[in-house]
Amino acid sequence: QKEVEQNSGPLSVPEGAIASLNCTYSDRGSQSFFWYRQYSGKSPELIMFIYSNGDKEDGRFTAQLNKASQYVSLLIRDSQPSDSATYLCAAGMYSGGGADGLTFGKGTHLIIQP
Amino acid sequence: GAVVSQHPSRVICKSGTSVKIECRSLDFQATTMFWYRQFPKQSLMLMATSNEGSKATYEQGVEKDKFLINHASLTLSTLTVTSAHPEDSSFYICSAIVQGASDTQYFGPGTRLTVL
Repeated sequence: QKEVEQNSGPLSVPEGAIASLNCTYSDRGSQSFFWYRQYSGKSPELIMFIYSNGDKEDGRFTAQLNKASQYVSLLIRDSQPSDSATYLCAAGMYSGGGADGLTFGKGTHLIIQP
Repeated sequence: GAVVSQHPSRVICKSGTSVKIECRSLDFQATTMFWYRQFPKQSLMLMATSNEGSKATYEQGVEKDKFLINHASLTLSTLTVTSAHPEDSSFYICSAIVQGASDTQYFGPGTRLTVL
């Protein structure tokens, strides 16, 4: 059974610091990886996706993927109080052009302290 | 980004009744949509994959006769919870793929179902 594991937290980070969120996945066949942000009572909002090993940067966010270790991470630089939310890691079977449902982790609750 | 809407956003119903939830892709065509369910403090769990013009594919443990899915057009998928019971109370979220671009899923705002 495909599983995605995350530390539920809460992870508390001071404003302006770097927040580091981690995720592992069980299915080596997974090809696509996503980070979503979810505020309480709301649906997930896509932050980034990554398909290839290495780093991918988008503004204050950097996603890192290591397929050998089955490990995905998200770094948030210059953390802001508005970044406080639950961050969901998800894995999919296709990297472009495919269509399958995602396997989600339970999420990490991030708190940015002013 | 692509916009997905859901209706209603919140519904309260009596046990035994049926509830229909609509999911629409507003500015793109979605041949594939997904239905997820999220219980409090739990993650999203995939319920089924909805393909336009064909039968939905259900995940293991999801009753297809209880959760009826119809994807009659390229912009609309519906989920009907039949004979709802209190244990069906949950947050139901649909997503859609922008076909031909990537398999990135865009989520609707979700529907909060409460069964009394």
